[in-house]
Amino acid sequence: KAGVTQTPRYLIKTRGQQVTLSCSPISGHRSVSWYQQTPGQGLQFLFEYFSETQRNKGNFPGRFSGRQFSNSRSEMNVSTLELGDSALYLCASSLGDSPYGYTFGSGTRLTVV
Amino acid sequence: GESVGLHLPTLSVQEGDNSIINCAYSNSASDYFIWYKQESGKGPQFIIDIRSNMDKRQGQRVTVLLNKTVKHLSLQIAATQPGDSAVYFCAEVDSWGKLQFGAGTQVVVTP
Repeated sequence: KAGVTQTPRYLIKTRGQQVTLSCSPISGHRSVSWYQQTPGQGLQFLFEYFSETQRNKGNFPGRFSGRQFSNSRSEMNVSTLELGDSALYLCASSLGDSPYGYTFGSGTRLTVV
Repeated sequence: GESVGLHLPTLSVQEGDNSIINCAYSNSASDYFIWYKQESGKGPQFIIDIRSNMDKRQGQRVTVLLNKTVKHLSLQIAATQPGDSAVYFCAEVDSWGKLQFGAGTQVVVTP
């Protein structure tokens, strides 16, 4: 079956702009979680959506937001981009039983200039 | 988890030797742990997991050991191959069901 698909793979944005990233989970998976990966901070949890509702949230400013659609696809949005937002953004999907059976996508590499 | 920094610790291993990657976790209440492998340009890939009611679990060429007394996890890779070169992360599931990742260890397999 198809894995977790993240689009786009690469993005270059200018400081102050906003960006939307997309994640299509494995078919049948209802939970989608988002992570930010940077060399300095490692992998940090952003938020998790389950059945279109945010179920968990990490310690990121309100500029980071997300949503999930009825088909379980999820988007995350970052507004007023800062240079420090440059990172690999990963999403992971699972059936919904917390991280059991998590499968990660290949990520979206965001560069803010 | 481990403290994070700009540079990952690196484990250099000769092909064919066994590798041992260590990880300290932070929450004594965590009851589920996972090891992930991340190759360049890819997302983390599940390797093996272990629940807190076990102290050892074996997979194909990999073994995870859990020492709850000292909050320590290790991943052993037998007969390390060039394809094992990657960054390895341990992760613990916190009380909210979220994954908390360690900083990662870069494994470099030399011929």
